[in-house]
Amino acid sequence: DGGITQSPKYLFRKEGQNVTLSCEQNLNHDAMYWYRQDPGQGLRLIYYSQIVNDFQKGDIAEGYSVSREKKESFPLTVTSAQKNPTAFYLCASSIVGTGMNTEAFFGQGTRLTVV
Amino acid sequence: AQTVTQSQPEMSVQEAETVTLSCTYDTSENNYYLFWYKQPPSRQMILVIRQEAYKQQNATENRFSVNFQKAAKSFSLKISDSQLGDTAMYFCAFMKHRSSGGSNYKLTFGKGTLLTVNP
Repeated sequence: DGGITQSPKYLFRKEGQNVTLSCEQNLNHDAMYWYRQDPGQGLRLIYYSQIVNDFQKGDIAEGYSVSREKKESFPLTVTSAQKNPTAFYLCASSIVGTGMNTEAFFGQGTRLTVV
Repeated sequence: AQTVTQSQPEMSVQEAETVTLSCTYDTSENNYYLFWYKQPPSRQMILVIRQEAYKQQNATENRFSVNFQKAAKSFSLKISDSQLGDTAMYFCAFMKHRSSGGSNYKLTFGKGTLLTVNP
């Protein structure tokens, strides 16, 4: 089945550690996105990528890093520089705006907790 | 930069009644997409409805319809015959159309409206 997969579903991080959230899609989508969701804040864009080997900062990129070495994969690293990383993280992918089939498909999310 | 505003943090409606969720946006683009997404308690994001800005006809999907007012930059969602399963967070979102050229096709969301359908 085609879709977008995030792993793990739950992740615990100790203070000062870097952690990497996985996002894989087999929809052949060019664009991929990472969002952070906090209560009352909606979905805030961390990073997005429209093609392989290229990505742009979103609204809250500080303390995060990404790579896009393959079209199918867009991992997000939460670094120790991110002071408040506890949140729900959503990955999405989409066709880059070519018609009425344009929509973003989402993974099931990763809940990251700092312990 | 595009912004999306949802002015109603929470709303409630009785089962079988109709409710309208508001969304306004700001952009300098002429052609773009607008979306409503639903996030139930499972937290899985589900597309409810989409609209292309150059299409004047309002989109409909079964019980869901939109009122798209391009000049006013308004994109409201109407849910008819509300059902208990409609209880969820609803997010309005914006993406520019590829015909606009350039880059920066990011998908921008509002802060959401929590809709509760009461029996």
